[in-house]
Amino acid sequence: EAAVTQSPRNKVAVTGGKVTLSCNQTNNHNNMYWYRQDTGHGLRLIHYSYGAGSTEKGDIPDGYKASRPSQENFSLILELATPSQTSVYFCASGDEGGENYAEQFFGPGTRLTVL
Amino acid sequence: GDSVTQTEGPVTVSESESLIINCTYSATSIAYPNLFWYVRYPGEGLQLLLKVITAGQKGSSRGFEATYNKETTSFHLQKASVQESDSAVYYCALGDHMGYKLTFGTGTSLLVDP
Repeated sequence: EAAVTQSPRNKVAVTGGKVTLSCNQTNNHNNMYWYRQDTGHGLRLIHYSYGAGSTEKGDIPDGYKASRPSQENFSLILELATPSQTSVYFCASGDEGGENYAEQFFGPGTRLTVL
Repeated sequence: GDSVTQTEGPVTVSESESLIINCTYSATSIAYPNLFWYVRYPGEGLQLLLKVITAGQKGSSRGFEATYNKETTSFHLQKASVQESDSAVYYCALGDHMGYKLTFGTGTSLLVDP
């Protein structure tokens, strides 16, 4: 079954440490996305990608990097984690056309706590 | 920029009662955005509940309905009779026609009392 998976599901990091969140999709979608979701805010777009090798800045990219080494994988990297990056992170995949036009398919989320 | 405003939660409704979650949008960069309702059940990621891509049309799924009203820039979610299993967080969202980006509301937490 096509799916979006994320790892780890929970992560505790220390301030100043490096954190990598991983996402894998078997939907064969071109586009992938990283969001964060905080109380009082909707999901906010951090980075996205149109395909392998591409990364684009979303609405709140500061403090984050992204990497898309293949069609299936999309990583979010926090080089120097800060407590303000404590949040729930969602990965999603999607395509422009076809039956699921303009829809995005989401992973289960990663809860990150930066102490 | 684009924005979505929806009913602030939490919303508590008794089982078998009716439900409406309000959603209004402002799409400054998109003339006719695609509109979506996503739902997040406890412990799971978001999943699409329904979408409407044409103004004036109605979408429906699992007993929920929403009508794309361009005049009032609204996309309210309604259900005639809720069930306990509908307890979840509901997100209204708008998107561009290329499907590249979604703008989400803050989410409305719904609790259905059995």
